[in-house]
Amino acid sequence: NAGVTQTPKFRVLKTGQSMTLLCAQDMNHEYMYWYRQDPGMGLRLIHYSVGEGTTAKGEVPDGYNVSRLKKQNFLLGLESAAPSQTSVYFCASSYSIRDLNTEAFFGQGTRLTVV
Amino acid sequence: DAKTTQPPSMDCAEGRAANLPCNHSTISGNEYVYWYRQIHSQGPQYIIHGLKNNETNEMASLIITEDRKSSTLILPHATLRDTAVYYCIVSVSGSARQLTFGSGTQLTVLP
Repeated sequence: NAGVTQTPKFRVLKTGQSMTLLCAQDMNHEYMYWYRQDPGMGLRLIHYSVGEGTTAKGEVPDGYNVSRLKKQNFLLGLESAAPSQTSVYFCASSYSIRDLNTEAFFGQGTRLTVV
Repeated sequence: DAKTTQPPSMDCAEGRAANLPCNHSTISGNEYVYWYRQIHSQGPQYIIHGLKNNETNEMASLIITEDRKSSTLILPHATLRDTAVYYCIVSVSGSARQLTFGSGTQLTVLP
């Protein structure tokens, strides 16, 4: 049982390049999320998904796109990377929001540097 | 408008109890108190949550005041591995969409 797995763990991009971050969970969770964390700050929600085939915007969605084609996977895409997107990206998953006693499980993060 | 207030940093001696306070004076009746921690750049880890009763699990205890305006996370025997940023979060449910991570408390366990 791997939990939430993010790939890659590290990446350096040049400004303008594109890339996709993959998040996979093996807990059959309905909800999946992408956060970013900048130095000395808390996590900010980028996009989330409440089920296969659905996505929604979070607090800081600009410059990112997401897809949830399979329940276990949630992809985060950067269309044209900018230095402001240098950050650590965390994926999380949880059971349905209707379950009030749910906890969120986080991946180990992807460190992205845009030069 | 922050829902919780935590001290930015605390120290604790190894083997002693670590008591981390959190103020949440505007908490609503249907909001839970959640605690997560983040160990140096790793993903946040769930610790415990509660509504109004005190809770205990294998990691920690959560003490919520009767008026629910504040709570304390207790790590009974802190170890060096407990050094981390601890986040107190109030949320209607625990799904990550409802979890707003503030700055948290940096707990340093000293040898």
